[in-house]
Order: sequence, then C-alpha cells, then structure tokens
Amino acid sequence: DTAVSQTPKYLVTQMGNDKSIKCEQNLGHDTMYWYKQDSKKFLKIMFSYNNKELIINETVPNRFSPKSPDKAHLNLHINSLELGDSAVYFCASSQLPNTGELFFGEGSRLTVL
Amino acid sequence: AQKVTQAQTEISVVEKEDVTLDCVYETRDTTYYLFWYKQPPSGELVFLIRRNSFDEQNEISGRYSWNFQKSTSSFNFTITASQVVDSAVYFCALRGSNYQLIWGAGTKLIIKP
Repeated sequence: DTAVSQTPKYLVTQMGNDKSIKCEQNLGHDTMYWYKQDSKKFLKIMFSYNNKELIINETVPNRFSPKSPDKAHLNLHINSLELGDSAVYFCASSQLPNTGELFFGEGSRLTVL
Repeated sequence: AQKVTQAQTEISVVEKEDVTLDCVYETRDTTYYLFWYKQPPSGELVFLIRRNSFDEQNEISGRYSWNFQKSTSSFNFTITASQVVDSAVYFCALRGSNYQLIWGAGTKLIIKP
C-alpha cells in the first residue's frame, strides 16, 4: 500500500487550461502539504492543512487553490495554467503540524506547453 | 533570518569511496531541528534523520553517519563505502521556532560503478 499517493503522476497541458492533482494518505496523519519543486530541484512549500484547516498559505498565485475534503485528502486545483507552473508538485503528510518529518508522495510532473 | 546552505551542488565519486555532504545553517533560535532527506532518481523524497539542537551526539545508521556541530552551525552527512544505490539528491532542512521547514538547495550525489 502506498502511504501517500498522488494522481496523476504526469500531466501535460496547454497554457490557460485548468487542472487538478489529487493526493491521499493512508497513514492516519493529521497534516498534509503541497510542495513545488522547480527544475533546479529547489523545494518550496505552498500550502499546509491540519485536520482540514489551512495553516500554511505561502505566497503563491491565487490561481492555485487547495481543497481538503477530509484529513486524508488534499487536492490542488490550478486555474489558467502558465508556462512557469511547469514543475513537480509533491504532496506530503506528517503526524503533527510542522514536525519536519514528512512522508512524501511520488510527485506529479506538470508540463505546461 | 533562517537559512540552509548546501554549497556542494554536485559530487561524483567512485563506488566504495566515502563521501561527505555538507550542510551549514543559520538561525537565531535556541531550539531547532535539523533534517536530511534523500531524493533518488525515482523522485520521491525520503526522510533520513531528525536531530534537535540540544543533542550534539553523532548518529550512525549502517553506512550513514551524521556529524552535528553547533560551534560551526553544521550538520554534515557522511556515507561510508558508497554504493550506486546511494546516487540521489540529498536535502538538508531546518525547522525553527516558526515551525516551517527551511530547505537547502540540495546536493546531487553521483556514485559511479
């Protein structure tokens, strides 16, 4: 069983489109995260939810909207995709908020053409 | 301000050599945590170790060892008798009083057979 699973793993789309990435964790963790990793491997936190409540909301365009229907799921919706959105997006979870010990999904590689 | 510096962008060694990955951090917090993560070519980030600021004992786990020195604000990671499977990008991270993880830029380690 995959602890943190993301779908889709690869996403190729045109500029201006809207897309979603789904994330589910079966670890029973309370906290989930979205990270963006650019082509230089730099990791940037985007959002964090604890028990379905938003606790970290970094400076990202409001075209990015996270949704947490329950504490096991954290989805990421992106509107009006731009070339600069191309990256690998990682979902992660942790038992408690901000412990630093994160369990990551395999990543979703988004390519915007 | 908090910062993590991994000055080595890429390291290449031959299998069975020992290799040390450097991590230097900056923080004004007295209580903080340091982490190492591994990102193999498959993409998923894997937690390796967490060390709190009050524990300067070195840690050894098989071929992996970590040297934490507060005097030099460093938390270096050594792989002994490296193997091809150790090839990955390794990230050092810091969690301070604001509870957010500050990530280094990563060091790409290439182990040649």
